Amino acid sequence: AQTVTQSQPEMSVQEAETVTLSCTYDTSESDYYLFWYKQPPSRQMILVIRQEAYKQQNATENRFSVNFQKAAKSFSLKISDSQLGDAAMYFCAYRPRDDKIIFGKGTRLHILP
Amino acid sequence: EAQVTQNPRYLITVTGKKLTVTCSQNMNHEYMSWYRQDPGLGLRQIYYSMNVEVTDKGDVPEGYKVSRKEKRNFPLILESPSPNQTSLYFCASSRQGSNQPQHFGDGTRLSIL
Repeated sequence: AQTVTQSQPEMSVQEAETVTLSCTYDTSESDYYLFWYKQPPSRQMILVIRQEAYKQQNATENRFSVNFQKAAKSFSLKISDSQLGDAAMYFCAYRPRDDKIIFGKGTRLHILP
Repeated sequence: EAQVTQNPRYLITVTGKKLTVTCSQNMNHEYMSWYRQDPGLGLRQIYYSMNVEVTDKGDVPEGYKVSRKEKRNFPLILESPSPNQTSLYFCASSRQGSNQPQHFGDGTRLSIL
């Protein structure tokens, strides 16, 4: 069965520092995408970044980047220069081709001023 | 404005009283999906639909029904709600294809007494 595991239920980081959220997944598929979503206290779900399994180059969106290790089935999210507005629940998600989507249980990120 | 609209936003009801949560999207998306979010469990997919008249079970379909008679609408039906269905529910939509991120509604907080 396909699974997504986020092993850190909660994390804290000092403002302006860098933090890495971990995500591992299990699949026998070769064609899929991985996503990170952010859920602030407003409970909206917001796309942060996505990564195609076939691309070796790690995706980057401003202060957000991923470390994608396909062989290890690992997809961690790095947030640089953390800001107070980054405080949220972060979900890792796996999406194979036109099939059900699997989310991890989430990591709650606290930003310390 | 491109959006996914869920109604109601909040609902308190009693065991056994049938209810429907509506979901509508205006982006002409083929893929629509329902999730429930529970503390410590993340988002779990209930049902998804890849197009009109096509629906498939997600990971937690028991106790729920869906229909996709029109492309824009994907209602979630609880025929006989029970307290264990108390949760935060999200509807989402996207274009077909594993590279497409989900666009989420604002969520429905459902309490079954």
